Amino acid sequence: DGGITQSPKYLFRKEGQNVTLSCEQNLNHDAMYWYRQDPGQGLRLIYYSQIVNDFQKGDIAEGYSVSREKKESFPLTVTSAQKNPTAFYLCASRRTPSTDTQYFGPGTRLTVL
Amino acid sequence: KQEVTQIPAALSVPEGENLVLNCSFTDSAIYNLQWFRQDPGKGLTSLLLIQSSQREQTSGRLNASLDKSSGRSTLYIAASQPGDSATYLCAAVYNFNKFYFGSGTKLNVKP
Repeated sequence: DGGITQSPKYLFRKEGQNVTLSCEQNLNHDAMYWYRQDPGQGLRLIYYSQIVNDFQKGDIAEGYSVSREKKESFPLTVTSAQKNPTAFYLCASRRTPSTDTQYFGPGTRLTVL
Repeated sequence: KQEVTQIPAALSVPEGENLVLNCSFTDSAIYNLQWFRQDPGKGLTSLLLIQSSQREQTSGRLNASLDKSSGRSTLYIAASQPGDSATYLCAAVYNFNKFYFGSGTKLNVKP
């Protein structure tokens, strides 16, 4: 089965802790993305990566960090510097170079206690 | 700054009705316009992609149109079914990596 997996599905964090969200794809896509979705709002881009060992900030990168050491993996760390981290986090990938669509994972819901 | 607006925010219709969802975008210099479906607590699934040079795309009971000059796209759903109940999001794509999403239209199709 080809696709994108995210884990865990639900994540609870205490204030002041860093947490890492996993995103893995076996679609052989070069580009990967992290979005944040808040209730009643559209998706906002956190970080994206077009190629291994390279990534760029999106519109709301403050308080987040990423790495891209392997083509298949693009983990997102939510640091204690993120003021309001409770949200639904979505990972996506896309075949490049092309104007193809993005393929999304099932999401991780992060709640800060 | 690119902004994408979707109207209405929510829509409830009886089964069998034809319906139209609206999407508007402020910057007409798009590469393409995409429509996605999102079920509660799930990721997004791509429905239709309209390239900037195209006027419409069709897939089954779905038809999406694009008017770049006016900054608008519509998603037409024919003969709606309860299984169509979901949130529909549009995304204006300005380069390969910048997808700007609307906040979605939550559709409820009543049996």
